Amino acid sequence: DGGITQSPKYLFRKEGQNVTLSCEQNLNHDAMYWYRQDPGQGLRLIYYSQIVNDFQKGDIAEGYSVSREKKESFPLTVTSAQKNPTAFYLCASSAPPQPQHFGDGTRLSIL
Amino acid sequence: EDKVVQSPLSLVVHEGDTVTLNCSYEVTNFRSLLWYKQEKKAPTFLFMLTSSGIEKKSGRLSSILDKKELFSILNITATQTGDSAVYLCAVEAYNAGNMLTFGGGTRLMVKP
Repeated sequence: DGGITQSPKYLFRKEGQNVTLSCEQNLNHDAMYWYRQDPGQGLRLIYYSQIVNDFQKGDIAEGYSVSREKKESFPLTVTSAQKNPTAFYLCASSAPPQPQHFGDGTRLSIL
Repeated sequence: EDKVVQSPLSLVVHEGDTVTLNCSYEVTNFRSLLWYKQEKKAPTFLFMLTSSGIEKKSGRLSSILDKKELFSILNITATQTGDSAVYLCAVEAYNAGNMLTFGGGTRLMVKP
């Protein structure tokens, strides 16, 4: 089945540690996105990529990094510079102008 | 800066009721407005609206856009407990890489 797979579902980060969230899609979409969702709030854009080997910062990119070496993969690293990383992270992909489709998310917590 | 505001923040109704969710927006170079339903995990796509006054309908759900007054509504008739979810509204602008700006969502609870 075509879709977007995020892993892991749950992740815990220690102080000073970098962690990487995986996002893989087999929909052959060019565009991929990372969003952060805090409790009771909407989604905020962290990074997006419209094509392989290219990506742009979203509204809240500080403390995060991404890469786009393959069309189907768009991993997000939460660095130790992100002081408040506890949130629900959602990855999406699209073939513009079609709507974005989302993965099931990764819930990140601090130990 | 693009802005999307949803109301109410939350809503509790009983099965069979009809509900109306609101979304107002301010965006430069508006392209489309989207509605998503989010239960536990991934938001699932409901509607994409680009033209004023044309109702989109899917079963008990319908939505309409007013580009003059800059708002959209999502109606759910004969609500069921399975409609309980957070409903998210988002807007997309031209020349913005298909990026979406989301509102804060409306949490709907449907009681038996």
